[in-house]
Amino acid sequence: QAVLTQPSSLSASPGASASLTCTLHSGINVGTYGIYWYQQKPGSPPQYLLKFKSDSDKERGSGVPSRFSGSKDASANAGILLISGLQSEDEADYYCMIWHSDAYVFGGGTKLTVL
Amino acid sequence: QVQLVESGGGLVKPGGSLRLSCAASGFTFSDYYMSWIRQAPGRGLEWVSYISSSGTTIYYADSVRGRFTIYRDNAKNSLYLQMNSLRAEDTAVYYCARGWFDPWGQGTLVTVSS
Repeated sequence: QAVLTQPSSLSASPGASASLTCTLHSGINVGTYGIYWYQQKPGSPPQYLLKFKSDSDKERGSGVPSRFSGSKDASANAGILLISGLQSEDEADYYCMIWHSDAYVFGGGTKLTVL
Repeated sequence: QVQLVESGGGLVKPGGSLRLSCAASGFTFSDYYMSWIRQAPGRGLEWVSYISSSGTTIYYADSVRGRFTIYRDNAKNSLYLQMNSLRAEDTAVYYCARGWFDPWGQGTLVTVSS
């Protein structure tokens, strides 16, 4: 089982909301980790979106719209990236990341299609 | 503005060596830890190595430990990755990134092939 698991793809309609999940290995507790999210569009490097550890420990990257927000689902042991008011420009690959056992670990990424 | 520019990529034969550089500008380089991350063609992101702001703490991914060396020159605002014993599976775009990966450079392509 991978440390971080993301669904490979997700589709949603313009104007709708999309919830991207990042499920942690059952042996580690999402509550103890800051979850970082990155967006990557074709042909471009990834861009930092936000970090979420708790409601009191969170931040959004510079220039990132408030439509992007983070949360956790403790029951699912998962981090969540919520994108509201989807726009065509949100179509991209999204990666989650944590710092675990002296290493940065990425999820496999979710390809978000807006159609 | 904050800018990271990688260089040094290219085509190298299996078993060969390459040194990547990352020139930083627009911020106080010596205040930040830095990392290298790579992305194989059509694949996801893989963290490669981390170095603390002073260079005293270093971490590597298992896949490169013993073959790659990360180091920095704070006087030159530069980060480096010395890659030895290169393998076909090291073929990727290599990015440098500041802190918790904000921002990233544009990347430099490393191709390991005979």
